[in-house]
Amino acid sequence: SQKIEQNSEALNIQEGKTATLTCNYTNYSPAYLQWYRQDPGRGPVFLLLIRENEKEKRKERLKVTFDTTLKQSLFHITASQPADSATYLCALGHNYGQNFVFGPGTRLSVLP
Amino acid sequence: NAGVTQTPKFQVLKTGQSMTLQCAQDMNHNSMYWYRQDPGMGLRLIYYSASEGTTDKGEVPNGYNVSRLNKREFSLRLESAAPSQTSVYFCASSLGLAGLETQYFGPGTRLLVL
Repeated sequence: SQKIEQNSEALNIQEGKTATLTCNYTNYSPAYLQWYRQDPGRGPVFLLLIRENEKEKRKERLKVTFDTTLKQSLFHITASQPADSATYLCALGHNYGQNFVFGPGTRLSVLP
Repeated sequence: NAGVTQTPKFQVLKTGQSMTLQCAQDMNHNSMYWYRQDPGMGLRLIYYSASEGTTDKGEVPNGYNVSRLNKREFSLRLESAAPSQTSVYFCASSLGLAGLETQYFGPGTRLLVL
């Protein structure tokens, strides 16, 4: 069956450092991979989308990579700030039909 | 422009009671979704509606029914609530049905079944 793993339940880093979150998947061949941010008590909010034929995508301090050979995506936040503290979810999707699957999330804490 | 709204925000039910969770979006989106979120398990799809007039089962549909009332509204019904349905429920919408589309989520409904 399809499985998505995110590196750890929780990740603590110091302010100013780069946070790197991992999303690994098995038994799945996604056409797209998305990253969402979720704050406590709120719904997820879309951050970035990367297609299977793209190696890397950037948006401000965010960078996502997608390696279909390793079946892995890396999500980087550079110059992290306490305001970046949240849970980050990866989600995989196909071109057709509803086969959109979310990972369990990683809770990031950026310490001042 | 409110985005995706959900009612109620919180609900406590006794085992066997029924209730309907309401969801509405004002973005003229075609597709709508219901997810549940449990600790350590991520978001799991219950039902979705690709377009007005259609509904389909997701990963965990047992114990639930849905109605796509019109393009804006998509409701989730628990006919006979069970403690295993204690969860946070999120409604989402997207312009089209595919992994390419961004999903917009509501604030969630926290449900406790005793």
